[in-house]
Amino acid sequence: GAVVSQHPSWVICKSGTSVKIECRSLDFQATTMFWYRQFPKKSLMLMATSNEGSKATYEQGVEKDKFLINHASLTLSTLTVTSAHPEDSSFYICSATLSGAYEQYFGPGTRLTVT
Amino acid sequence: GENVEQHPSTLSVQEGDSAVIKCTYSDSASNYFPWYKQELGKGPQLIIDIRSNVGEKKDQRIAVTLNKTAKHFSLHITETQPEDSAVYFCAASEGFWSYGKLTFGQGTILTVHP
Repeated sequence: GAVVSQHPSWVICKSGTSVKIECRSLDFQATTMFWYRQFPKKSLMLMATSNEGSKATYEQGVEKDKFLINHASLTLSTLTVTSAHPEDSSFYICSATLSGAYEQYFGPGTRLTVT
Repeated sequence: GENVEQHPSTLSVQEGDSAVIKCTYSDSASNYFPWYKQELGKGPQLIIDIRSNVGEKKDQRIAVTLNKTAKHFSLHITETQPEDSAVYFCAASEGFWSYGKLTFGQGTILTVHP
């Protein structure tokens, strides 16, 4: 149980284009999903918290207009990197949790490379 | 906000030895402390967690201890195997009322030599 998937697993895009990353909870309903960014050999940095049916809460320093998050259902959240630039290249990981639960389950991550 | 410090940054052990990774946290209201294992190119995997009302928890070769007074918690892996080699992250919940939002330590690269 508690399986979280992400799609795509990796993506290469040109500078200026937008990229959408999907995060799905496969066997449970996730009222809250989190989006993280991880640089090579670094820890996970929380970007935003997403609750189903409401606007995402972004961490300080994260541009909400650049990293659009949508949590339209209890099993799907999407992160769209708009007008991507090479500095947006990173490993993006989502996680999901049940309402009232402490445990956070992570997806396999998406490697984004912007050329 | 919460601050989590993790040590050591790298740890090298021989197969069969024990490995210990330590973390300290700053927010005395934190009440949930998970440990994650991350293999190269993959997402973190929850391996064990502990809540503030428990001092120790064990799951086969893995154990976690928590000292609330000192605000530190540790991961213990016994009888290490080469497949235990990975990056390990500790984390702490940020405050009592916002459970689910985690602050991560810097990570420990564990290498188990056969």
